[in-house]
This record gives sequence, C-alpha cells and structure tokens, in this order.
Amino acid sequence: DTAVSQTPKYLVTQMGNDKSIKCEQNLGHDTMYWYKQDSKKFLKIMFSYNNKELIINETVPNRFSPKSPDKAHLNLHINSLELGDSAVYFCASTRTPGVGEQYFGPGTRLTVT
Amino acid sequence: AQSVTQPDIHITVSEGASLELRCNYSYGATPYLFWYVQSPGQGLQLLLKYFSGDTLVQGIKGFEAEFKRSQSSFNLRKPSVHWSDAAEYFCAVGDGNQFYFGTGTSLTVIP
Repeated sequence: DTAVSQTPKYLVTQMGNDKSIKCEQNLGHDTMYWYKQDSKKFLKIMFSYNNKELIINETVPNRFSPKSPDKAHLNLHINSLELGDSAVYFCASTRTPGVGEQYFGPGTRLTVT
Repeated sequence: AQSVTQPDIHITVSEGASLELRCNYSYGATPYLFWYVQSPGQGLQLLLKYFSGDTLVQGIKGFEAEFKRSQSSFNLRKPSVHWSDAAEYFCAVGDGNQFYFGTGTSLTVIP
C-alpha cells in the first residue's frame, strides 16, 4: 500500500492554463505539506495543513491555492501557469509537525511550455 | 527562523570508500534532526533521525550520523559506499513547529 500518493506523476501544460495536483495519504497523519523542488534540487516549503487547517503559508504567489477536503487529502491548484512554475512538486505528511518523520510522495513533475 | 547548511553541494567518492556528508544547523534548543535520501526520480526517504539520547544514531542502508551539540552539527557517515548510494542527500531540522531543509548534497559514486 502506497503511504503518500500523488497524481499525476507528470504534467505538461502551456502557459496560462490552470492545473491541479492531488495528494492522498493513508497513514492517518494530521499534517500534510506541499514542497516545490527546483532544477537545483532545492526544496522549498509552500504550504502546510494540520487537520484541514492551513498552518504554514510561505511566500508563494496567490496563483497557488491549496485545498484540504479532509485530513487525508491535500490538493494544489495552480492558476495562470507560468514558465517559472516548472518544477517537481512533492506532497508529504507527518504525525507531528516539526517533530516526526515526514513521508513523501513520489512527486509530480510539472513542465510549463 | 532556523537554518540548515550543507556546505558540500556535490561529492564524488569511489565505491568502497568511506563517506561523510556535513550538516550544520542554527537553533537555540536541541532540534529534531533528520537525514533524507532522494534517488533519481523518487521522493525523499528517511535515512535516520535524532531526537534525544545516544548522539550516534544508526539508520537504514548502513548509514549513521552523529549529533554534536558543541558544533551544531549532524554529519552523516557510511564506512563503505555502494554504487546504489548515488543520490541527493538532505539534512533537515524540526523545531517542534516546522521543518527546515538544507540545500542538499549530490553524491556521485565512481566504480
């Protein structure tokens, strides 16, 4: 059973489009994250939800909007995609924020052309 | 805010040689410390973690790390590297609220 899953794995789209990435975890964790990894492998935290409430909202363009329908799911919607949004996006979850091990999804490689 | 420094962007070692990847952090109290590995095209996987107690912790795949409070360091070691260890390695710190990641060290293993 996959602990943290993301769909799609690859996403190729044109500038200006709107797209969504979905994440689900079956670990029973309360806290979920979205990270962006750029071409230099730098990991940047974007958002964190704890039990469906937004607890971390880093400096991210407001074109990015996370949504957590329940504590097992955290989706990321991106409006008006730009070339600079091309990256790998990782979802992760943990039982205790800032303390416990994070479990990462396999990533979604977004390419904006 | 806390910070994590991995001073080596890229390291190349020969297969069978020993390995040490450096990690320094900035945090006033004792942090929660982690090392993750990212194989090409994969997500991050936990290698080991330190919360308290024995400052030398053992992880998966033959890795170990030592917490040195006086140096604010948590260096990762492996006595004999295998070709399959080629990957990106990330050090991370938790302060009870958030996690902070280093910029990563890319490991190349030559036969």
